[in-house]
Amino acid sequence: KAGVTQTPRYLIKTRGQQVTLSCSPISGHRSVSWYQQTPGQGLQFLFEYFSETQRNKGNFPGRFSGRQFSNSRSEMNVSTLELGDSALYLCASSLGGRNSPLHFGNGTRLTVT
Amino acid sequence: AQTVTQSQPEMSVQEAETVTLSCTYDTSESDYYLFWYKQPPSRQMILVIRQEAYKQQNATENRFSVNFQKAAKSFSLKISDSQLGDAAMYFCALLLTQGAQKLVFGQGTRLTINP
Repeated sequence: KAGVTQTPRYLIKTRGQQVTLSCSPISGHRSVSWYQQTPGQGLQFLFEYFSETQRNKGNFPGRFSGRQFSNSRSEMNVSTLELGDSALYLCASSLGGRNSPLHFGNGTRLTVT
Repeated sequence: AQTVTQSQPEMSVQEAETVTLSCTYDTSESDYYLFWYKQPPSRQMILVIRQEAYKQQNATENRFSVNFQKAAKSFSLKISDSQLGDAAMYFCALLLTQGAQKLVFGQGTRLTINP
């Protein structure tokens, strides 16, 4: 079974631009969640989608948004990029139940210049 | 609010020896899961071991075992017979069973294995 796939692996953007990151979950998984990892703040929860509905959202500004498609693939969008948005963005998928472990992808490294 | 604290930013151990990584957490919930994840330079977060809070028995996965002290809110990871491939960042994480799947991570411990 293929794992969680995140594309692209690396991105370089300029301040003020917007970016879209993609995540394809493990087949059959209906929950996709996103995390931001930075050296200073560590790993922080962005949001989680289950069956195309956002179930929870972390403490991030409205510039961070996401969506999930009917095939469970998810995209995360960041508008008006700031230098502080430079980070590793990790996606995780699971079956979505309380006993379902999260499986992570390799992440997208975003650099904002 | 839930918090997870890893007080050891870095640890090192000789190959084949045993090392213990510490983790404490705080939550007012009684039902939750605890995890240890490993993040090697490849960046992928790999699940090492998990513990259900309602289970008193400590989880074990081959060379990896935990010491779960629910009253003390402590969840340490013991790695026996350390191998070079164990070198990585290790993160302790808490997951509540109610609502969305949202992991709360500790700051991580960088583990170095000395040959």
